[in-house]
Amino acid sequence: AQSVTQLDSQVPVFEEAPVELRCNYSSSVSVYLFWYVQYPNQGLQLLLKYLSGSTLVKGINGFEAEFNKSQTSFHLRKPSVHISDTAEYFCAVSLNFGNEKLTFGTGTRLTIIP
Amino acid sequence: DTGVSQNPRHKITKRGQNVTFRCDPISEHNRLYWYRQTLGQGPEFLTYFQNEAQLEKSRLLSDRFSAERPKGSFSTLEIQRTEQGDSAMYLCASSMGGGQERTQYFGPGTRLLVL
Repeated sequence: AQSVTQLDSQVPVFEEAPVELRCNYSSSVSVYLFWYVQYPNQGLQLLLKYLSGSTLVKGINGFEAEFNKSQTSFHLRKPSVHISDTAEYFCAVSLNFGNEKLTFGTGTRLTIIP
Repeated sequence: DTGVSQNPRHKITKRGQNVTFRCDPISEHNRLYWYRQTLGQGPEFLTYFQNEAQLEKSRLLSDRFSAERPKGSFSTLEIQRTEQGDSAMYLCASSMGGGQERTQYFGPGTRLLVL
């Protein structure tokens, strides 16, 4: 079975500073990787995904992530954050065959300090 | 693009009552998923439909839970004899499925509070 670890439950960052949210996964087979964002009292919105090809993936709202197979990581980065980035961020994996159910990490709450 | 919709958005019920939630997926999506999210946790998979067929159920889905997707369109999730531990956000997602189309699009969720 696959699993996802998000090491930081909360990350406070000053506005316009860079941020990195860490995600590590475990799986005995190949997986696809996703980052979702959840604003208060809302569902999840896809930020970006890695299915194949270039290991550097660009998403919406200026976010990007890099897939590192040797370190089994998929860290999310943004060079300059805004107040509007305050939200919960979830890393998720799915197998690349069969049921495409997502296995999520416990989330990282990003708080932007003005 | 109407997106995934869920109704109701909020439900408060007393322990022992039955509740039913509805999910309307994006119209051309043949795959539909239900997840449950408790406070401070990531969503956990409950069950999955491909068209009208329910293909997988999680161990989290006790006998009190039942899900249907008649005609492969909307889906309902029913919880019988609710317990306080059922309090959570119930999320629905849909996708076209397969390869590059496996992105799941989530609805706004139904927040259930069992008193």
